[in-house]
Amino acid sequence: DAGITQSPRYKITETGRQVTLMCHQTWSHSYMFWYRQDLGHGLRLIYYSAAADITDKGEVPDGYVVSRSKTENFPLTLESATRSQTSVYFCASRGPGTARGTEAFFGQGTRLTVV
Amino acid sequence: AQSVTQPDIHITVSEGASLELRCNYSYGATPYLFWYVQSPGQGLQLLLKYFSGDTLVQGIKGFEAEFKRSQSSFNLRKPSVHWSDAAEYFCAVGRDDKIIFGKGTRLHILP
Repeated sequence: DAGITQSPRYKITETGRQVTLMCHQTWSHSYMFWYRQDLGHGLRLIYYSAAADITDKGEVPDGYVVSRSKTENFPLTLESATRSQTSVYFCASRGPGTARGTEAFFGQGTRLTVV
Repeated sequence: AQSVTQPDIHITVSEGASLELRCNYSYGATPYLFWYVQSPGQGLQLLLKYFSGDTLVQGIKGFEAEFKRSQSSFNLRKPSVHWSDAAEYFCAVGRDDKIIFGKGTRLHILP
């Protein structure tokens, strides 16, 4: 089905482990984003990508790594998970259109718990 | 610096009453503004957006928002809320290539 899909939906991992959250979109949107949602903080941008092989930091990039070798995929990796990274992670995409004017479409989120 | 401010963390209104959720932004150029809604356990859904032109924009589910440049505001309104409107609402601004969100306002509906 067309859309934006995140996997897994739920993940529990241990402190210090590496974990990768997947994001796949079928619209061939140029832009993709990763946000984390925490109580009292709303959605904060972690990383974003304007196209394949182009990524840039957002508001809270520390502890995260991204890559974008294909337009449709934008995985987010926590190289050594910490408890402070327990959060709900949302992936989003949008087309270029009039670039800044087009809205983002969101996945259903991944709830990550680091124990 | 915070680009989007939603001053109300929680808002409670009675079913059938009118609603206004506040949003203020700080951005030098003409902003691109959005309102999203998030129901519990769900992703975000776009309610409406403003790019240019008419400063009063209509959205889905009976919502509207008014862009006021002089006040740097983009408040969301609904004339009569329904119990199903209980959710969290996020204002967002398109800045450079990014979309930056406010901290959200949680709307509670009294029967």
